[in-house]
Amino acid sequence: QLQLQESGPGRVEPSETLSLICTVSGGSISSSNYYWAWIRQPPGKGPEWIGTIYYSGLAYYNPSLESRATISVDTSENQFSLKLISVTAADTAFYYCTRGMWELRPFSPFEYWGQGTPVTVSS
Amino acid sequence: EIVLTQSPATLSLSPGERATLSCRASQSVSNRYLAWYQQKPGQTPRLLIFGASSRATGIPDRFSGSGSETDFTLTIGRLEPEDFAVYYCQQYGRSPLTFGGGTKVEIK
Repeated sequence: QLQLQESGPGRVEPSETLSLICTVSGGSISSSNYYWAWIRQPPGKGPEWIGTIYYSGLAYYNPSLESRATISVDTSENQFSLKLISVTAADTAFYYCTRGMWELRPFSPFEYWGQGTPVTVSS
Repeated sequence: EIVLTQSPATLSLSPGERATLSCRASQSVSNRYLAWYQQKPGQTPRLLIFGASSRATGIPDRFSGSGSETDFTLTIGRLEPEDFAVYYCQQYGRSPLTFGGGTKVEIK
């Protein structure tokens, strides 16, 4: 059974960098053709797609976050990660890592989700 | 960017009643690439419907989706107690992928 688990600090200071890691178990990032994504959900709001990555490192980003977000993959650790620079209070949200439903399709429904991790931006 | 507008914001119904949720897109969603998710308090979103009308694995047949282009509907045939939750639509036909603001189905 595929499982995803987010990890990272629960609080980040304004203007600093948010760093999160998603550890995948029950399946290999590098031996499958799925795409992996980060999604966030501010309190009381709908989810927001941040970006998607393939094991090769090919990544797609939401233009609204592209200038601040970097998604990378570490196949040796079976992990992928998110870095978001220059955070503000507007970046306070639950952050989820997910996997797309179909192989070889960068954009597909999100079938598998991690439990999510709350991130608060405050000093 | 395709903006998805869900209505109503809140739907107050009793168990056993039928729920009809709407998702309207600001532009046509190609190939009916529209999904629906259910989210209960403190839980992760759960994929219900993809391709506008195909149920995901393990989803009961009281959940059905329909629609095309800019107008989509999620119908819950007879509400069970576990169906009271927030529902989101999402389009994956064009980047950036976008979600609607959600419809909360609450017990009347």
